[in-house]
Amino acid sequence: DADVTQTPRNRITKTGKRIMLECSQTKGHDRMYWYRQDPGLGLRLIYYSFDVKDINKGEISDGYSVSRQAQAKFSLSLESAIPNQTALYFCATSDSWSEKLFFGSGTQLSVL
Amino acid sequence: TQLLEQSPQFLSIQEGENLTVYCNSSSVFSSLQWYRQEPGEGPVLLVTVVTGGEVKKLKRLTFQFGDARKDSSLHITAAQPGDTGLYLCAGGLDPGTYKYIFGTGTRLKVLA
Repeated sequence: DADVTQTPRNRITKTGKRIMLECSQTKGHDRMYWYRQDPGLGLRLIYYSFDVKDINKGEISDGYSVSRQAQAKFSLSLESAIPNQTALYFCATSDSWSEKLFFGSGTQLSVL
Repeated sequence: TQLLEQSPQFLSIQEGENLTVYCNSSSVFSSLQWYRQEPGEGPVLLVTVVTGGEVKKLKRLTFQFGDARKDSSLHITAAQPGDTGLYLCAGGLDPGTYKYIFGTGTRLKVLA
């Protein structure tokens, strides 16, 4: 089983809809991250959380919100989806003493 | 906005050839990571370099961190089809914060 699991793997939605992407991990890591990947732009950080009570904005947080329901769960919401939020979204984890990021397999989101 | 530029963007070579991928920025980074990403999967960490001038080898892959910690290179010797993928560099902004700026990516295809 994957250590970092993202659901769904693919999602197509319409402009204006609210959508939630979920991430769960079995690695026991405190730190969790949400990134989006766009061709030619690399990965950009949306939000990150260093523990259950700690939520921080990344470089592109506008239009997104997150919830850290437990150490193992970190969800990303798009309150009112727009077409330029079409992208590949990745959840990642890391522990407190290593700089190694562990990524999930991604969610391909298309907003029509 | 801090940027990490990677070159080339695309590279298609024959099996057995050597290649170098570059990662450049005007910013100084506390550390530099290299990841490889295969289709349908998240990035997987290959190496982390933290000292200016540092060289690390991973089988046929050689990674170097620039003396000024603003640039890095990845050299692959005798490329194989299994090396095919998207290579991403990521610069660490502040030690211990685990916030990384990702490069724009180099898509490598090795033909048999």
